[in-house]
Amino acid sequence: SYELTQPPSVSVSPGQTATITCSGNKLGDKYVCWYQQKPGQSPVLVIFENNKRPSGIPERFSGSNSGNTATLTISGTQTLDEADYYCQAWDSITALYVFGTGTKVTVL
Amino acid sequence: QVQLVQSGAEVKKPGASVKVSCRASGYTFTSHYINWVRQTNGQGLEWVGWMNPDSGKTGYVQKFQGRVTFTRNTSISTAYMELSSLQYEDTAVYYCARHNNWGFSNWFDPWGQGTLVTVSS
Repeated sequence: SYELTQPPSVSVSPGQTATITCSGNKLGDKYVCWYQQKPGQSPVLVIFENNKRPSGIPERFSGSNSGNTATLTISGTQTLDEADYYCQAWDSITALYVFGTGTKVTVL
Repeated sequence: QVQLVQSGAEVKKPGASVKVSCRASGYTFTSHYINWVRQTNGQGLEWVGWMNPDSGKTGYVQKFQGRVTFTRNTSISTAYMELSSLQYEDTAVYYCARHNNWGFSNWFDPWGQGTLVTVSS
């Protein structure tokens, strides 16, 4: 089955840049989206189609995807960005939507 | 605004069934697929399957085949997920999410608030 691997945790100081990776075989050939989930809340879409931001998502969120790795970057990270982040992609071979293992971002 | 509102938490015994509802508002219910995703005990997200609210056609992840059924009532813009033969491992928060796509790009937005299903004797 297709798997997407993320680092379990990322720590960043306020105002600095947080980089979250998502790795999968030939992931660059697929479209990736990213979700933010705060404790006790449902996931919220922050990036779709590799690098597009939905309306209402701050410009400090950006995405890229190439080779075997997709990346979510949070520039000028704020304390309110503390959350779990999940990548997602569609695997056409298995016809499954696959989520990454999730990354907890801590701002301290 | 586009919104999905789910039914409240459920407690069920092993072997029982549970039915979760997901009411859509702010858009034409039949114009977007509905996906179901579950999250166990603060762990990761797991896709359960999809439903086309227009045709009623469904697709289920093999792991859940034979135990899960998606239905809908278009007159009240509501989708349902029924999971039967519940096991302790089915204890999870179940989410519905609206499907969006552009070409080969797919994403889920928005998500319902989630429904906690607890399986306990």
